[in-house]
Amino acid sequence: KAGVTQTPRYLIKTRGQQVTLSCSPISGHRSVSWYQQTPGQGLQFLFEYFSETQRNKGNFPGRFSGRQFSNSRSEMNVSTLELGDSALYLCASSLNSMGQDSQYGYTFGSGTRLTVV
Amino acid sequence: DQQVKQNSPSLSVQEGRISILNCDYTNSMFDYFLWYKKYPAEGPTFLISISSIKDKNEDGRFTVFLNKSAKHLSLHIVPSQPGDSAVYFCAASANNQGGKLIFGQGTELSVKP
Repeated sequence: KAGVTQTPRYLIKTRGQQVTLSCSPISGHRSVSWYQQTPGQGLQFLFEYFSETQRNKGNFPGRFSGRQFSNSRSEMNVSTLELGDSALYLCASSLNSMGQDSQYGYTFGSGTRLTVV
Repeated sequence: DQQVKQNSPSLSVQEGRISILNCDYTNSMFDYFLWYKKYPAEGPTFLISISSIKDKNEDGRFTVFLNKSAKHLSLHIVPSQPGDSAVYFCAASANNQGGKLIFGQGTELSVKP
């Protein structure tokens, strides 16, 4: 089956702009989580959506937001971009929200590399 | 406050030998632990997981051990192969936190032929 698809793969934006990243989960998966990876902070949880509802949120400013559609596809948006937002943004999908399929782990996409100049 | 720690940034092992990657955690609410492997410019790939009610889980060459009293887990890879060279992340989740995984900083494993 198709894996988790993230688009675009690479993106260059200017400080102050906004950006929208997209994630299509594995078919049948209802939970989508977003992570930010930077060299200094490692992999950090942004938020999780399940059945179009945000179930959990990490410690990121309100400039970071997301949503999930009825087909489980998810988008995340970053407004007023800062240089420090340059990172690899990863999304992960799983069957449900409570980690009951944790024995299979969460499946990650290849990420979107965002560069803010 | 780093709740999941991998204190060794790197590890070098000879092909065929055992690789042992370590991870410590501080939050006693964690009830699931996972190991991921990551290549540059790719997303992490799930390797193996363990529930807090177990102390060992095996899958082929990979075995994860959990010591709850010490809040410590380790991943054993036997025998190590050059293709295992990658960054390994341990992650933890709490059942009441849904899909939120807390990752360690990663250990870069290099398996030399």
